[in-house]
Amino acid sequence: DGGITQSPKYLFRKEGQNVTLSCEQNLNHDAMYWYRQDPGQGLRLIYYSQIVNDFQKGDIAEGYSVSREKKESFPLTVTSAQKNPTAFYLCASSPTGGSGGETQYFGPGTRLLVL
Amino acid sequence: QKEVEQNSGPLSVPEGAIASLNCTYSDRGSQSFFWYRQYSGKSPELIMSIYSNGDKEDGRFTAQLNKASQYVSLLIRDSQPSDSATYLCAVKVTGGGNKLTFGTGTQLKVEL
Repeated sequence: DGGITQSPKYLFRKEGQNVTLSCEQNLNHDAMYWYRQDPGQGLRLIYYSQIVNDFQKGDIAEGYSVSREKKESFPLTVTSAQKNPTAFYLCASSPTGGSGGETQYFGPGTRLLVL
Repeated sequence: QKEVEQNSGPLSVPEGAIASLNCTYSDRGSQSFFWYRQYSGKSPELIMSIYSNGDKEDGRFTAQLNKASQYVSLLIRDSQPSDSATYLCAVKVTGGGNKLTFGTGTQLKVEL
């Protein structure tokens, strides 16, 4: 089955703790994205990567970090500098070329809660 | 600031009716437009994409694009209770690689 997996489904963070959200895709997509969604809000872009070993900040990158060492994987770390991390985190991927190259497909999401 | 705007709703329609969801965007150079459906607590799933002015039909769904007026709409015919969800409009920004800008979504409720 081709798709995007995110883990864990729920994650609890203690004060001052860094936590890492996993995102893996087997769609052979070049580009991957991380979004944050707050209740009643749209999706806000945190980071994106269009190719391995390269990534760019989105609109709300402060307090987050990412890596892209493999095409299939794009983990997101929520650092202690992110003071309001409670949200639904969504990972997406897309091919980059040709017709429909920007169509993004989403994983199931990780819900992060602060203890 | 490039923006995508949607009425948050809720939009209530009776079962079997046509639901009409609208989206306006500010970037006149935008070329690619998407509609996603998001059930409560779930991730967005792609319904349709549209790139050219006019209508694009897929089953009960029709996307309409008017670049001159900078709006894109989604029509759902024969609405079913299972269509009750939040519908997100997304627009590919110009000069931003493959980045999409999302609206805040319109909540649709299909009533029996």
